[in-house]
Amino acid sequence: GQSLEQPSEVTAVEGAIVQINCTYQTSGFYGLSWYQQHDGGAPTFLSYNALDGLEETGRFSSFLSRSDSYGYLLLQELQMKDSASYFCAVRPRDDKIIFGKGTRLHILP
Amino acid sequence: DAGVTQSPTHLIKTRGQQVTLRCSPKSGHDTVSWYQQALGQGPQFIFQYYEEEERQRGNFPDRFSGHQFPNYSSELNVNALLLGDSALYLCASSLPGQTYTDTQYFGPGTRLTVL
Repeated sequence: GQSLEQPSEVTAVEGAIVQINCTYQTSGFYGLSWYQQHDGGAPTFLSYNALDGLEETGRFSSFLSRSDSYGYLLLQELQMKDSASYFCAVRPRDDKIIFGKGTRLHILP
Repeated sequence: DAGVTQSPTHLIKTRGQQVTLRCSPKSGHDTVSWYQQALGQGPQFIFQYYEEEERQRGNFPDRFSGHQFPNYSSELNVNALLLGDSALYLCASSLPGQTYTDTQYFGPGTRLTVL
């Protein structure tokens, strides 16, 4: 079957850098996306990797390696407002988008 | 510019009842997808509508049905509600040509509780 695996929780310190990993098992997909969701809020789009390599958007960067079936989201200069859940998602060839179960990021002052 | 809107915000139903949830996409967006998100889980894809047709469907029973109107707004209907249908139902819209970049804009969701 197709699945995405993420750590359930990650803790980091304000101002630091944190990496949230996503490994996947899927036969083929168009790209890997990342979404942020605060408690009680809607998921918001952060980034998308169609090709292998690093994509940078401000303090957030995302990486994809299709050969390793692996991607990650990198958050720099962490702020308290970054405390949220982060989801990776892929769109397989059948177009039925799959989300990971999410990683809850805790930030300590 | 209003983002994606959903109604109602919260809903309480009993087992066996039917429910209709509504979604208005972001201005200019023509594709609407529906997701079910259980507590502590990631969103699960229910189906996607484009040009008033169901384009793709996830692994959900026929009790889940939908509709898209000419103005691109959409409805999600769930019949014969089960306790396990309790969840946050999210609607997401996307621009033409962005479907394959997965840039979706989510609404705030409808929290459905089935008693």
